[in-house]
Amino acid sequence: GESVGLHLPTLSVQEGDNSIINCAYSNSASDYFIWYKQESGKGPQFIIDIRSNMDKRQGQRVTVLLNKTVKHLSLQIAATQPGDSAVYFCAENEAGNMLTFGGGTRLMVKP
Amino acid sequence: DTAVSQTPKYLVTQMGNDKSIKCEQNLGHDTMYWYKQDSKKFLKIMFSYNNKELIINETVPNRFSPKSPDKAHLNLHINSLELGDSAVYFCASSYGTGAAGELFFGEGSRLTVL
Repeated sequence: GESVGLHLPTLSVQEGDNSIINCAYSNSASDYFIWYKQESGKGPQFIIDIRSNMDKRQGQRVTVLLNKTVKHLSLQIAATQPGDSAVYFCAENEAGNMLTFGGGTRLMVKP
Repeated sequence: DTAVSQTPKYLVTQMGNDKSIKCEQNLGHDTMYWYKQDSKKFLKIMFSYNNKELIINETVPNRFSPKSPDKAHLNLHINSLELGDSAVYFCASSYGTGAAGELFFGEGSRLTVL
């Protein structure tokens, strides 16, 4: 399933399926991007990052894709598990400036 | 070992009161931050300190006063609390300035103003 990360939309997926969370960023000069995961009652935690000289980066079960042409970032989670249920934020950074967070997307995993 | 710890985790108080939230990091980072997260989960930077010096001060009412006694601590004091101050406040830290890298967040302090 897919979702656009604005106004905390919710993406509901079946356990074992792949999840895609999308993010539209605003600053064409941003050169560094991070995905954070926030579980209920906790602070955001780093998942994966990517610099603007790359268009894809893979981690353990997660992949981040960057399309600078349309200022779009996505997080793909393979074989989604109940423990992946959380709010996911993208964040962008222009060198020397502050990290700016997007609005977040809630991922719900159905067993 | 908690990397970024903040206290209290929950705070319920009346309008007009003054309250403080404390934050400590044991990561050896130079820069610390306060973020406010509203009921819609939107995260907004409030302040940033680098080596005890204020480097970022977003449009925040002057009722909010951060204090950094050393680079491992950044406390947030709020005077004359208002209903709209109800939110979750997150402390964070990072290497260097400008948050050009990963932020490490605390668990958050939920403030409820009645």
